Amino acid sequence: RKEVEQDPGPFNVPEGATVAFNCTYSNSASQSFFWYRQDCRKEPKLLMSVYSSGNEDGRFTAQLNRASQYISLLIRDSKLSDSATYLCVVNPFTGGGNKLTFGTGTQLKVEL
Amino acid sequence: DVKVTQSSRYLVKRTGEKVFLECVQDMDHENMFWYRQDPGLGLRLIYFSYDVKMKEKGDIPEGYSVSREKKERFSLILESASTNQTSMYLCASSLSAGSAGYTFGSGTRLTVV
Repeated sequence: RKEVEQDPGPFNVPEGATVAFNCTYSNSASQSFFWYRQDCRKEPKLLMSVYSSGNEDGRFTAQLNRASQYISLLIRDSKLSDSATYLCVVNPFTGGGNKLTFGTGTQLKVEL
Repeated sequence: DVKVTQSSRYLVKRTGEKVFLECVQDMDHENMFWYRQDPGLGLRLIYFSYDVKMKEKGDIPEGYSVSREKKERFSLILESASTNQTSMYLCASSLSAGSAGYTFGSGTRLTVV
């Protein structure tokens, strides 16, 4: 089983739609969770951290379900500029250093 | 803003060459990382370092080595480049705290011919 699993997509949605991505992780001891965004041929950039209580940043909402070991990202009112690959990231806290484990990403395409 | 700078955006090297990829960060981060990213495989950790002169193998260290002589600089070395090392290489840095996210450099697209 992969440490972090995501549906690769692509998710093709019309502008203005609401879209949700899920991600599951295997290590129940994981403590820190993130969503990163990666544009084509660019580096990943931190979109938001994910907290146990859930958190919201504008049109983006992240949720964590520890019991089921999954993380979600909800994007409301999708914009063309939201088209990117979204990476689910987990810190499994194994070994030394702040070592993150990345999912392979979910591709989102927002269309007119 | 934290800046992570990779020395080259694109590189073309010949099989068997020794290749150096340089990465510099300017925010006094303890941790630095080298990843490669390939289609369908995502980001795979090659090596990381949590302090000067410290290094740890990641998931795919074979064919690579690293050097961290100064806190701000982390170098990836391909001892004898091979065509299967053609990839996008990404450097990242972070604070030590487990809650800290990474800041990535803009990547080096290496082609080995």
